[in-house]
Amino acid sequence: NAGVTQTPKFRVLKTGQSMTLLCAQDMNHEYMYWYRQDPGMGLRLIHYSVGEGTTAKGEVPDGYNVSRLKKQNFLLGLESAAPSQTSVYFCASSWTSGDEQYFGPGTRLTVT
Amino acid sequence: TQLLEQSPQFLSIQEGENLTVYCNSSSVFSSLQWYRQEPGEGPVLLVTVVTGGEVKKLKRLTFQFGDARKDSSLHITAAQPGDTGLYLCAGDRGNDYKLSFGAGTTVTVRA
Repeated sequence: NAGVTQTPKFRVLKTGQSMTLLCAQDMNHEYMYWYRQDPGMGLRLIHYSVGEGTTAKGEVPDGYNVSRLKKQNFLLGLESAAPSQTSVYFCASSWTSGDEQYFGPGTRLTVT
Repeated sequence: TQLLEQSPQFLSIQEGENLTVYCNSSSVFSSLQWYRQEPGEGPVLLVTVVTGGEVKKLKRLTFQFGDARKDSSLHITAAQPGDTGLYLCAGDRGNDYKLSFGAGTTVTVRA
């Protein structure tokens, strides 16, 4: 039982490049979330999903897109990376909105 | 501005001392969670409090939910170096599909 996994763990991009971060969970959770974590700002919600085929915007969605084609996977895309998107990205999943969220180990992204 | 304000932002204490971390809001929450995050890892749930005035104990950690369900505190007794980490509170308002996280308190316990 791997829990929540994220790939890749580290990535360096040049401004304007695109990439996709993959999150996978094996707990059959309905809810999945993408956060970014920056110093002094805690976890800020980018997008979330309440079930397969659904997505919704969080607090800081601009510059990101997501897809949830399969229940166990939640993809985060950056179409044209900017230095302001340098951050640590965490994926999480849960049974419902108020339940414990299980987090992945994070992806450290640097945009130069 | 964040829905949940945590204080202090940083706390550095000697092993054996006590500490308290606060999580405050003007909003009412149906439940509140506390997470601990160690460097290079994702946050891990410590406790969930759901009833106003509730007190939960987890070994040397005591969590309290305010009577009005707008605030919470985490008290650590006789802190140990293993308590070092980033402590995050997160609230569920019960009317949307997500948690709101505080900015976190970085706790360092020196041996």
